[in-house]
Amino acid sequence: IAGITQAPTSQILAAGRRMTLRCTQDMRHNAMYWYRQDLGLGLRLIHYSNTAGTTGKGEVPDGYSVSRANTDDFPLTLASAVPSQTSVYFCASSDAGGADTQYFGPGTRLTVL
Amino acid sequence: GQNIDQPTEMTATEGAIVQINCTYQTSGFNGLFWYQQHAGEAPTFLSYNVLDGLEEKGRFSSFLSRSKGYSYLLLKELQMKDSASYLCAVRDSNYQLIWGAGTKLIIKP
Repeated sequence: IAGITQAPTSQILAAGRRMTLRCTQDMRHNAMYWYRQDLGLGLRLIHYSNTAGTTGKGEVPDGYSVSRANTDDFPLTLASAVPSQTSVYFCASSDAGGADTQYFGPGTRLTVL
Repeated sequence: GQNIDQPTEMTATEGAIVQINCTYQTSGFNGLFWYQQHAGEAPTFLSYNVLDGLEEKGRFSSFLSRSKGYSYLLLKELQMKDSASYLCAVRDSNYQLIWGAGTKLIIKP
């Protein structure tokens, strides 16, 4: 693995289903982030983690949850998906909390029907 | 509220120069980033400005004026592969990145 990986690449999901998007980094970065990107809007922060064992809410956290059990993994869970959660989801990481450049994974394209 | 403004779309000719502007109003300022994003791909880091002035990196340069809440990205000797969206982001007082919607740059031969 080099950098950040995300899985799945894309997914079509029925409304009401539970879904976990996976994110793994091998750069030993302290901080990790989840964003959603929608057409015509900037990237919006969903949740973040400044270090393993801690998480925080971003701009649009409702309907999403995260955990950070170790440095490398930062899964994002949709407990009960709704159509408004149709989006492209990017995971990112940085070396020192908010003080460093963020590097992005390839993204997950999620469609909720 | 916090706001980042960029033009939605710009068109330029291969070999020419283009300037993409970004204005911002944020709660605090701890640096401004430019990212490039090709269609269907992840954003990739281009440049970072925290002090006023020009930062040059090959064909790309980025300028910052903190007093005016203004930055621009200058791309020289445009190539077809520069066709992409360019995202401006400001790190606010909480060290969170606030993102503009991006500028789609179309390069014509």
